Amino acid sequence: EAGVTQFPSHSVIEKGQTVTLRCDPISGHDNLYWYRRVMGKEIKFLLHFVKESKQDESGMPNNRFLAERTGGTYSTLKVQPAELEDSGVYFCASSLQGGGNTEAFFGQGTRLTVV
Amino acid sequence: GDSVTQMEGPVTLSEEAFLTINCTYTATGYPSLFWYVQYPGEGLQLLLKATKADDKGSNKGFEATYRKETTSFHLEKGSVQVSDSAVYFCALSDPLYSGGGADGLTFGKGTHLIIQP
Repeated sequence: EAGVTQFPSHSVIEKGQTVTLRCDPISGHDNLYWYRRVMGKEIKFLLHFVKESKQDESGMPNNRFLAERTGGTYSTLKVQPAELEDSGVYFCASSLQGGGNTEAFFGQGTRLTVV
Repeated sequence: GDSVTQMEGPVTLSEEAFLTINCTYTATGYPSLFWYVQYPGEGLQLLLKATKADDKGSNKGFEATYRKETTSFHLEKGSVQVSDSAVYFCALSDPLYSGGGADGLTFGKGTHLIIQP
């Protein structure tokens, strides 16, 4: 069974450009999460989808970030326009059910560098 | 809001040494507690978890006990191996959330563990 897949693995863009990150969750997992780890800091929750609906987007830093999950399958996270402080590793995770008792499976992450 | 504090790294040990990585938390409700591990070039993997006070999670020789009285979930292993070299993250999930989403995770900063042969 394929795990959570993220693309690209690395991205280097200039300030002001647009970048779109993609996450393919484990098939059948309704719950999909985005997290971000800025260098040397905690992994921070960004948002949570249940199927195609945004269950919780309280962690999204600002309106330059747009997440979508059309059809309830894969998800994209777009940053437009990118700023230097957006650099970090973006993780996606999926789980069969929501709630703390269900294991979340993580992708390898996308390392974003804004120069 | 909720938070997780874990010891700063890197932590460097010799093979077969005893390992402790400290983790303490602050939570609004009654959280579940987790340790995740990230091996080089891989994604985060769940190492172990505990869902209520006094529960002990264990896996691959690692253990952690949910201590409500000290709000701690320290990770231990009796004899580490070179293959244990990785970054370890302590995390919690709090249904009364503050910071990780109601179903999301609140993580610590991670501890880089280096095991030397």
